[in-house]
Amino acid sequence: AQKITQTQPGMFVQEKEAVTLDCTYDTSDPSYGLFWYKQPSSGEMIFLIYQGSYDQQNATEGRYSLNFQKARKSANLVISASQLGDSAMYFCAMRGEFFGNEKLTFGTGTRLTIIP
Amino acid sequence: DTGVSQDPRHKITKRGQNVTFRCDPISEHNRLYWYRQTLGQGPEFLTYFQNEAQLEKSRLLSDRFSAERPKGSFSTLEIQRTEQGDSAMYLCASSLPPSRGGSYEQYFGPGTRLTVT
Repeated sequence: AQKITQTQPGMFVQEKEAVTLDCTYDTSDPSYGLFWYKQPSSGEMIFLIYQGSYDQQNATEGRYSLNFQKARKSANLVISASQLGDSAMYFCAMRGEFFGNEKLTFGTGTRLTIIP
Repeated sequence: DTGVSQDPRHKITKRGQNVTFRCDPISEHNRLYWYRQTLGQGPEFLTYFQNEAQLEKSRLLSDRFSAERPKGSFSTLEIQRTEQGDSAMYLCASSLPPSRGGSYEQYFGPGTRLTVT
């Protein structure tokens, strides 16, 4: 079974500051993938970034980077230079990488509010 | 690429009624997923299809729930004899696996919000 834990229900961050959203995971799968999704108040889930468990380097996508620490089973999302439009719910998720283990397991999310 | 679409966007129904939701995935995606999201929670997996084959169903999917993807394109999710506990956002997602030139990313639709009164 896979489990995602997000311990920060809400965060308030000043605009233009960097922010780190925490995510820890648990799985018995030897190979897996970790995702971050953003969910604005409109409801759609927007993919941000993906990290494979065997990727040598931490994933980056524009202002988003994933701080992957395999030994600690953590996959924190770092947003640099936060913007007002970053205010949303953020979900960490994982899946196995073998056929037949396709489903995403999500955490409970962190509500991020950017303060002008 | 028109994205994943879902219909209706909102549905209000009375307890005991049947409801059906539709999901149209991105056209070349062969995998389609259904999730349910209740207030304050992350999405929970319900079921998924590869082409027309339903490959996995969650224990959350009681006998009142049925999903189909008859031609490997759009999918429907039906809930029979709705209960107030069925009130949630129902999300559909699609993907094309890396072996087919895609990625592990699942692309989500806007969701159908169900309210059972």
